[in-house]
This record gives sequence, structure tokens and C-alpha cells, in this order.
Amino acid sequence: GAGVSQSPRYKVTKRGQDVALRCDPISGHVSLYWYRQALGQGPEFLTYFNYEAQQDKSGLPNDRFSAERPEGSISTLTIQRTEQRDSAMYRCASSLGDGELAKNIQYFGAGTRLSVL
Amino acid sequence: GQSLEQPSEVTAVEGAIVQINCTYQTSGFYGLSWYQQHDGGAPTFLSYNALDGLEETGRFSSFLSRSDSYGYLLLQELQMKDSASYFCAYNQGGKLIFGQGTELSVKP
Repeated sequence: GAGVSQSPRYKVTKRGQDVALRCDPISGHVSLYWYRQALGQGPEFLTYFNYEAQQDKSGLPNDRFSAERPEGSISTLTIQRTEQRDSAMYRCASSLGDGELAKNIQYFGAGTRLSVL
Repeated sequence: GQSLEQPSEVTAVEGAIVQINCTYQTSGFYGLSWYQQHDGGAPTFLSYNALDGLEETGRFSSFLSRSDSYGYLLLQELQMKDSASYFCAYNQGGKLIFGQGTELSVKP
């Protein structure tokens, strides 16, 4: 597609339910990132992949959070047994390659607004 | 520790020049990026500095001093559409670490 696509745009769930957030990166982009963004704050890193390999998951808050990218394209962020504190905007981004010494320009999706009641 | 500091809010008038500062602290540093985010929108890339000096992209310029762990974004000929949040970020092992953002309000 033309840009990073995330679905659903909005998700309302009850505390204790599991949710799965989907990200479809820009075609051909090697790297895919998940961030969480609270209102009025900068994006907070959660995890990222190069192709299908999860390179860094140090930002995942606890073991209720997991992510996968099984075929190196679409990724799913899963939150199990949701809690009210999980309510936030979850953003996905992709880039051509993680390029530690390069610009690493990341293209962000519109995000999924998660509300846990 | 590892962090970035930037002012929370800046206000300027249309046509003016504004500078948004960013100081950082990190054990490994490859370069400083700037992203713009309009209210309700997604962050979009503006500029990147790997080396000391000024990078110019149209009305926007970004500066980096690695020795001072400091950078800034300079916006010239401000327009109302420049009202947005601006984030500095550094690349750490492939991931971006963002500052808390500076909300720029451009007044007529």
C-alpha cells in the first residue's frame, strides 16, 4: 500500500479481554516498529522486527504484551488480559532498514486507539 | 541515564522564526532526528543530523553539536500550518527514542 496501515482504528474492550492490533507496513520495508503514545507525550518504543525476526522487545511493559511478524510483512501486537492502564494510542512504523548508522527514517501509521473499560 | 529534553511549549507569530532546542543524554549516539506531529495525526519525519552542523530543508533547518549533546530545529517564515508538536529523537540500536515533544502554537 501507499503507507503504513493499522487496524482497527479504534478498539474498545473490557478489562480482562485479549486484543490484537494489526499493522501492514509499506511494501518492501524491512523494519517494523511498535510504539505506544500517551496524549501529549512522545512515542514510547515497544518492540521492533527486521524481516520476521524480533530484534528488540525491551520496551514491552510486561509479559501480557507480545508481537509477531511471521512472514516478515504484517505484524500483530497482542495484549492479553487487558487492564485500564493499557489504554493508549498504539502506533506502528516501518523503515527501509534499521540502519544503525543511517537516518532510519520511520513512516508511521495512523494508530489504533485502545480504550479498556 | 538516557533521555532527551525539549521545551514543552513554544508560541510564535506568523512570519517569525522559532528555534526548538533539544539536549540529549545517551551512551551511544548515531544522530538526531526531528519529527512533526499535527493534532490527531501521525508523526512524520522532518530532518536528521549525523554530523555537527546545519542541515537545511526549505523553511526548516536542523543543527547538531555532538560535543554539547545539543541540537535544535529552526523554523523560518512561520505559517499557521506549522502549529504542531515537534519531537527530537535519537537512533539507539535500530530503534528511535523520542523526547516528550514541543507544542508549537503559531498566532496570526
